[in-house]
Amino acid sequence: AQKITQTQPGMFVQEKEAVTLDCTYDTSDPSYGLFWYKQPSSGEMIFLIYQGSYDQQNATEGRYSLNFQKARKSANLVISASQLGDSAMYFCAMSRPQTWTDFGNEKLTFGTGTRLTIIP
Amino acid sequence: DSGVTQTPKHLITATGQRVTLRCSPRSGDLSVYWYQQSLDQGLQFLIQYYNGEERAKGNILERFSAQQFPDLHSELNLSSLELGDSALYFCASSAGTSGFSYEQYFGPGTRLTVT
Repeated sequence: AQKITQTQPGMFVQEKEAVTLDCTYDTSDPSYGLFWYKQPSSGEMIFLIYQGSYDQQNATEGRYSLNFQKARKSANLVISASQLGDSAMYFCAMSRPQTWTDFGNEKLTFGTGTRLTIIP
Repeated sequence: DSGVTQTPKHLITATGQRVTLRCSPRSGDLSVYWYQQSLDQGLQFLIQYYNGEERAKGNILERFSAQQFPDLHSELNLSSLELGDSALYFCASSAGTSGFSYEQYFGPGTRLTVT
């Protein structure tokens, strides 16, 4: 079974500072994917970034980067130069990859989320 | 805009009633997933369809059912509704092709309130 742990229920960060949101995971699968989603107060779930377990380099997408430490089973999200619009709930999630012979494993398992508030 | 559409956006109904939530995936996506987000349970996977066939089941109650139609849109049917079914229901879609995990794109959600 897969498990995602996010230990920071809430964080307050000054605008323009960098912020790290913690995520640890537990799985016995050798192959897996890690995701971060943002949920603003309006409720929609916005995909931010993806990291595959066999990817050699940390994923980056604009101001978002994923600090992937496989041995420690952590996949922290780093947001550089935070903006007021970054205030939202952030969810870490994982899934197993789909193959031609192993279907139905791509469901996302989510953590409990971190509420990030950016202070002007 | 993720390209995934869900209707209705809000739904208020009474206990014991039945409702249908509709989802249209992104163009070309074959996989549709349903998730429930509630205060006490968090975000939970309910069920997945791939190209019209049920692919995986999660913590979906027997009172709930879903299907995916030939045009790939999906419906989630919730019956004998209880107060505890009040939640935000998300539909997500992904390409669903073989290989490593692909990101799932979420619709705006349907907020269900059972009174």
